[in-house]
Amino acid sequence: GQNIDQPTEMTATEGAIVQINCTYQTSGFNGLFWYQQHAGEAPTFLSYNVLDGLEEKGRFSSFLSRSKGYSYLLLKELQMKDSASYLCASKDSNYQLIWGAGTKLIIKP
Amino acid sequence: EADIYQTPRYLVIGTGKKITLECSQTMGHDKMYWYQQDPGMELHLIHYSYGVNSTEKGDLSSESTVSRIRTEHFPLTLESARPSHTSQYLCASSEFQDSSEAFFGQGTRLTVV
Repeated sequence: GQNIDQPTEMTATEGAIVQINCTYQTSGFNGLFWYQQHAGEAPTFLSYNVLDGLEEKGRFSSFLSRSKGYSYLLLKELQMKDSASYLCASKDSNYQLIWGAGTKLIIKP
Repeated sequence: EADIYQTPRYLVIGTGKKITLECSQTMGHDKMYWYQQDPGMELHLIHYSYGVNSTEKGDLSSESTVSRIRTEHFPLTLESARPSHTSQYLCASSEFQDSSEAFFGQGTRLTVV
């Protein structure tokens, strides 16, 4: 079956760094997406990885290892507004997104 | 700023009623999607479309229908609402390229009483 695993909840301190992990098992692989979703709002796109390695975009970076079926999202210089759920999604052989349940990130002052 | 709109934002309706959730996008995207999301849970694909007159079923499609008569419009219809349909419904669109990200509407929160 197809499966995306990510931690349910994480807590971090304002100004710190946090890494959110995601492992995926999908039939075929055509890219890994990270989205941010604030409570009661729609998901918004953060990053896309299709090749192994690190993609950096400002305070956010995303890493992919296809051989390990593993990705992480790295958030630096955490701000209170970063409190949200972070969704990992893998695109399968049919180019459909398989979504994880999301990691709720709580930022404390 | 993404230009994809869903109406209504909130809807409370009685069991057995027929309802249509509206979704429109002004970005000219070929692909459109409907997802269902319960609080703290993953998104489940209900229906999707690759373009005009194209509709495909997702995992949770059996109790709903969609149409794609125009590129910008992708309505979702529940023929007979049930309490188990209570959920958030998210519409999304993307360009045809596989690397394209999906842009989401603000969602419709549906309650069936």
